[in-house]
Amino acid sequence: GAVVSQHPSWVICKSGTSVKIECRSLDFQATTMFWYRQFPKQSLMLMATSNEGSKATYEQGVEKDKFLINHASLTLSTLTVTSAHPEDSSFYICSARDPSPEVYEQYFGPGTRLTVT
Amino acid sequence: AQSVTQPDIHITVSEGASLELRCNYSYGATPYLFWYVQSPGQGLQLLLKYFSGDTLVQGIKGFEAEFKRSQSSFNLRKPSVHWSDAAEYFCAVGATGGSYIPTFGRGTSLIVHP
Repeated sequence: GAVVSQHPSWVICKSGTSVKIECRSLDFQATTMFWYRQFPKQSLMLMATSNEGSKATYEQGVEKDKFLINHASLTLSTLTVTSAHPEDSSFYICSARDPSPEVYEQYFGPGTRLTVT
Repeated sequence: AQSVTQPDIHITVSEGASLELRCNYSYGATPYLFWYVQSPGQGLQLLLKYFSGDTLVQGIKGFEAEFKRSQSSFNLRKPSVHWSDAAEYFCAVGATGGSYIPTFGRGTSLIVHP
């Protein structure tokens, strides 16, 4: 199947700093990518839908000024956590949708563990 | 809006035993249904999916799931569990038509005893 990578796999940052997480589709072009947040032993919560060349669509309750999403190309989407605080510590997962309309399948990255100290 | 319930937080089975993970969904029409597996350090991997047609769906790694409309369920089964199946399993439901976005259940952690 298709491969989605994330970088970094884990990151520790100090409170108040910003962190950028990259999501790449390695062997297909993804017009749509998704960003999820996963708390320990809980479900994946959709944060936003990222469409190439346009603004991301954020889910209710997600601060768009805090979680900046950029989808500059068909293979790369980035999530920047601005002015990070300890409560932003979490596991962030991206996924990319196969563009074939009959597939309706998402491919997930391995996730990025963010720890804010 | 659609929703998914996975009533079991943890399931413990012995290696070689059969397995059934429960999933109930809420959606006004026939949904798209998925089962994913998440192993530590790895991304979610699709085990199987149901869009239409035969209600018994075969997936990878020997898994199968059955869509039961009357019970709003999509339970995952495997006849004989291997130690490598220990992982977190997520059921997801997606709205049909247009650009769906799946909603995930909270997950079931599978523990396999030797």
